[in-house]
Amino acid sequence: RKEVEQDPGPFNVPEGATVAFNCTYSNSASQSFFWYRQDCRKEPKLLMSVYSSGNEDGRFTAQLNRASQYISLLIRDSKLSDSATYLCVVNGSGGGADGLTFGKGTHLIIQP
Amino acid sequence: DTAVSQTPKYLVTQMGNDKSIKCEQNLGHDTMYWYKQDSKKFLKIMFSYNNKELIINETVPNRFSPKSPDKAHLNLHINSLELGDSAVYFCASSQRFGESPLHFGNGTRLTVT
Repeated sequence: RKEVEQDPGPFNVPEGATVAFNCTYSNSASQSFFWYRQDCRKEPKLLMSVYSSGNEDGRFTAQLNRASQYISLLIRDSKLSDSATYLCVVNGSGGGADGLTFGKGTHLIIQP
Repeated sequence: DTAVSQTPKYLVTQMGNDKSIKCEQNLGHDTMYWYKQDSKKFLKIMFSYNNKELIINETVPNRFSPKSPDKAHLNLHINSLELGDSAVYFCASSQRFGESPLHFGNGTRLTVT
C-alpha cells in the first residue's frame, strides 16, 4: 500500500458547485496533515493544515479521520481560480529523509 | 523579496554533462530540501539538510550530490546526466526538519537531450 494515496482525477466540476476529495495514509503513527495547492508549472504552496477537530478557512474545510486513516478537503462555491492540483501531505509517514510525504495530487478543473 | 530562490529556471543540456542548480533561502530556516517532480507530477524527496546533517533518500543515484556552504544555501550538483533525469527540481526550506509549511522555490526545469 502506498504511503499517501490520492485519486489523481481530473475532477471536472462546474463553477459554484461543492467538491470534496480524500487522501488515505498508511502509517497510523502519522501526526501532522496538510493540504498543499500546486498551480500548473508553479511550486506547491501550503493551503491549510488539518487538525484533529477539523478546520475551516473560508470556503475550504479540512477533516481528519484517524480511525480510517484519511483526510479530506471540501471546497464550497467553487471558483475558476480553484483549478489546481491539491496535494495531500503527511508528516511522520515515511521516516528517514521523508519528514513530509506528498501524495501524487488530485487535479481539479473548475468549468465555467 | 523572494523567500526561496533557485537558479536557473530552465536548464537544457546533453547526456553525460555535469550541471549544478543553486538554491538560497532568506527565511532563516534550519532545514533545506531538494525535491524532484517527474512527468507524472509526483513530488519525491531527494535530500534533507538540517544543521549540517544530510539525510539522503536511498533511491537517489550517487550522481546527485547536495552541497551546503552555509545554512542559507543548498546547491544540487548532478554528474553524468541521463535522459531520465529530466524533471522539475524544487528546492524548499522549513523552520525545522519535517515541519510544514515548506517554502518552495519556483523550480528548475531540467531537460536532458
